[in-house]
Amino acid sequence: QSVLTQPPSASGTPGQRVTISCSGSGSNIGSNTVNWYQHLPGTAPKLLIYNNNQRPSGVPDRFSGSKSGTSASLAISGLQSEDEADFYCAAWDDSLNGWVFGGGTKLTVL
Amino acid sequence: EVQLLESGGNLVQPGGSLRLSCAASGFTFKTNAVNWVRQAPGKGLEWVSGITGSGGTTYYADSVKGRFTISRDNSKNTLYLQMNSLRAGDTAVYYCAKSRLVVVEAAALDFWGQGTLVTVSS
Repeated sequence: QSVLTQPPSASGTPGQRVTISCSGSGSNIGSNTVNWYQHLPGTAPKLLIYNNNQRPSGVPDRFSGSKSGTSASLAISGLQSEDEADFYCAAWDDSLNGWVFGGGTKLTVL
Repeated sequence: EVQLLESGGNLVQPGGSLRLSCAASGFTFKTNAVNWVRQAPGKGLEWVSGITGSGGTTYYADSVKGRFTISRDNSKNTLYLQMNSLRAGDTAVYYCAKSRLVVVEAAALDFWGQGTLVTVSS
């Protein structure tokens, strides 16, 4: 059971916009910023969004993040087949004194 | 170019020990915290441990506290994870991940290695 809650799956067709939610509590998302990671099995996970809504260099602006209270979301616009991957949210937890992750959302491009 | 190369993964019996290494290059190693994150088969990512740039402060997940020890050698640009009293539940791919900042707390993990597989089984 993950500390942060994400839907196990999401899907969309090419060109569509999809959103992935992430729900936490006051000790993690409510107190700290949220990061999002993209992971293709067998490869190194990739930082997609940090500090709720900041994109590292090289990440397309099709990816955006937001946070409100104890929840956050990742939006992907102009969906492409190459976006198929597992997506994870993460936040520092002040009570656990460590990073907590969501269970991951598998994105399928139909 | 930032590179993180993990090594040391292997098959080990329950109760055994293993030491993982992560060789870093492409950045000033001592100016960034580094972490270990694992992924068990069919499961999601789980943070294991983190250490500040100086090595002076360490953090552990409750699931490994007292059994695992994180350390770093800034003269060798290398991160370590000493794993003792291994259990079947520790079976996972272990990733080395660099923090954006010198601290562990709330600093996003901006570069990851390809991982090394640890299998705990008799």
